[in-house]
Amino acid sequence: AQSVTQLGSHVSVSEGALVLLRCNYSSSVPPYLFWYVQYPNQGLQLLLKYTSAATLVKGINGFEAEFKKSETSFHLTKPSAHMSDAAEYFCAVTPGGYQKVTFGIGTKLQVIP
Amino acid sequence: DGGITQSPKYLFRKEGQNVTLSCEQNLNHDAMYWYRQDPGQGLRLIYYSQIVNDFQKGDIAEGYSVSREKKESFPLTVTSAQKNPTAFYLCASSISGNTDTQYFGPGTRLTVL
Repeated sequence: AQSVTQLGSHVSVSEGALVLLRCNYSSSVPPYLFWYVQYPNQGLQLLLKYTSAATLVKGINGFEAEFKKSETSFHLTKPSAHMSDAAEYFCAVTPGGYQKVTFGIGTKLQVIP
Repeated sequence: DGGITQSPKYLFRKEGQNVTLSCEQNLNHDAMYWYRQDPGQGLRLIYYSQIVNDFQKGDIAEGYSVSREKKESFPLTVTSAQKNPTAFYLCASSISGNTDTQYFGPGTRLTVL
């Protein structure tokens, strides 16, 4: 069965600083990987998705993630944090086929002015 | 505008009562999902449906029931058998399967009094 681990349930960064949110996965086959963002009391919205086409995936709002098979990681980064980036971020994985998507527990990002 | 609607946004229920949460989509998606979100636990899959008149249990289906009589609708009933129903419930849909991007509704916050 697949699983995903998000290191750090809370991350704080200063406005303008690098954002790094960590995600490690396990999957018996090459996975599909997702990052979603959730603003307070709202549903989730896709930031980006890895489907094996390219290891560096660019998403919305300046975010990107790099798939590293050797490290089983899919960390989310943004060069310069903005106040509007404050939200909860979820990493998710599925092996595909009829296997369900497994979500991580989420990382709350706080941006300090 | 296409999207997913969930109603109501807030719902209060007395212990021992069944309650139905609505989820409607006009994206023409085949697959629909129900998740439960609790603080620090991420999203947990309750039920999913990949086609009309068919649905499968997720990880935490006990105490819940669903129906999928129409492509655009996937209501969730929280029964009195659910021991701890107070949570934030999210509905999602995708084009056809688990490798596709999931589009989420705004959620329903259920509180049992």
